[in-house]
Amino acid sequence: KQEVTQIPAALSVPEGENLVLNCSFTDSAIYNLQWFRQDPGKGLTSLLLIQSSQREQTSGRLNASLDKSSGRSTLYIAASQPGDSATYLCAVRRPPAGGTSYGKLTFGQGTILTVHP
Amino acid sequence: EADIYQTPRYLVIGTGKKITLECSQTMGHDKMYWYQQDPGMELHLIHYSYGVNSTEKGDLSSESTVSRIRTEHFPLTLESARPSHTSQYLCASSVTQNTEAFFGQGTRLTVV
Repeated sequence: KQEVTQIPAALSVPEGENLVLNCSFTDSAIYNLQWFRQDPGKGLTSLLLIQSSQREQTSGRLNASLDKSSGRSTLYIAASQPGDSATYLCAVRRPPAGGTSYGKLTFGQGTILTVHP
Repeated sequence: EADIYQTPRYLVIGTGKKITLECSQTMGHDKMYWYQQDPGMELHLIHYSYGVNSTEKGDLSSESTVSRIRTEHFPLTLESARPSHTSQYLCASSVTQNTEAFFGQGTRLTVV
């Protein structure tokens, strides 16, 4: 059974700092890994998707890496801003199994990030 | 920019009422999903559709039902709402099951 763990559970940093969010997963047989942000009471916004064959993806100030063999991903946020404050979720998608036709997307519990001015 | 919409955003309803949560996407995605998320908890898949007239139950048992008559719409129905159904319901879609998933804004349901 795939388990996804995110560390730290919460993080508070001053504006301008570079920071790293960690995600680990127990089963390395994945299709891809996706990072999302969720604002309070809102849906999820996709940030980055890394396919299992890729090592990293970049979008603006965000960089996500994937080490499938060790079951780890990191999300690096450069020059953090107050607008980055949100909950960051990572999710891994596995191939279809157990008689289902879908590859289950398993989410971590998230890291609550607060960037203060 | 994701084009997936959920209505209503917020719903407070009495026990025993029948409700339908709407989800629509304009991206032509075949795969659609419903997730349930309790406050501070992770998301759990409750329904999945891989195309028109094709749906499956997810990992988390749910008393809700879904239908997929058209590609764009994936409504979720509760025949008789109970306080235990109070939660946030998130709809998502993707082109295939291993491409990027896009989420709607969610429906926060409170059953009193």
